[in-house]
Amino acid sequence: QQQVKQSPQSLIVQKGGIPIINCAYENTAFDYFPWYQQFPGKGPALLIAIRPDVSEKKEGRFTISFNKSAKQFSLHIMDSQPGDSATYFCAVSGGYQKVTFGTGTKLQVIP
Amino acid sequence: NAGVTQTPKFQVLKTGQSMTLQCAQDMNHEYMSWYRQDPGMGLRLIHYSVGAGITDQGEVPNGYNVSRSTTEDFPLRLLSAAPSQTSVYFCASSYSGGGREQYFGPGTRLTVT
Repeated sequence: QQQVKQSPQSLIVQKGGIPIINCAYENTAFDYFPWYQQFPGKGPALLIAIRPDVSEKKEGRFTISFNKSAKQFSLHIMDSQPGDSATYFCAVSGGYQKVTFGTGTKLQVIP
Repeated sequence: NAGVTQTPKFQVLKTGQSMTLQCAQDMNHEYMSWYRQDPGMGLRLIHYSVGAGITDQGEVPNGYNVSRSTTEDFPLRLLSAAPSQTSVYFCASSYSGGGREQYFGPGTRLTVT
């Protein structure tokens, strides 16, 4: 059973656009929802994370929106730049449960 | 701090050979884990450890062994390499349980022929 479903698989936006990446989960015991950013040839790096007691969290140009009732969360990148071109992974975990990652979204921001 | 380090960066093995992928962290993190990354499949957890002397299986543990004798080191052993183990392997560490806020190493690209 897939713990988290991520979409889309790939995304192309123009510079300045707002790409949105979505993740859906099933287990209501999850209480930590991070997003990781990975550049080619590098390891993933934590970008931003949210807990289910808030509906939105912003860090710079990156925003997580969280919908607890729908069991969905999404990453929005404001004023996207070519330097944001990377693969983005959502993940879910709860308590001492193992972390499960989404399958990734390859984002390309074209000038 | 060096963070999470992994060696080697690249490795080619023949089917049936064994090897150990090294992982070390200098952040005094208790939680460490190994992932493999394959195209279209994201990151899949192989094994993890919540502290020295304690390890457990992840999603895809078959063909891999781990041990955790110190807080700093968490090596991954391939017992008898198979072409299906061709992948990029990442080690990660975290100060908190459940793998929150993980710091990843640069990865090891392994090819099994």
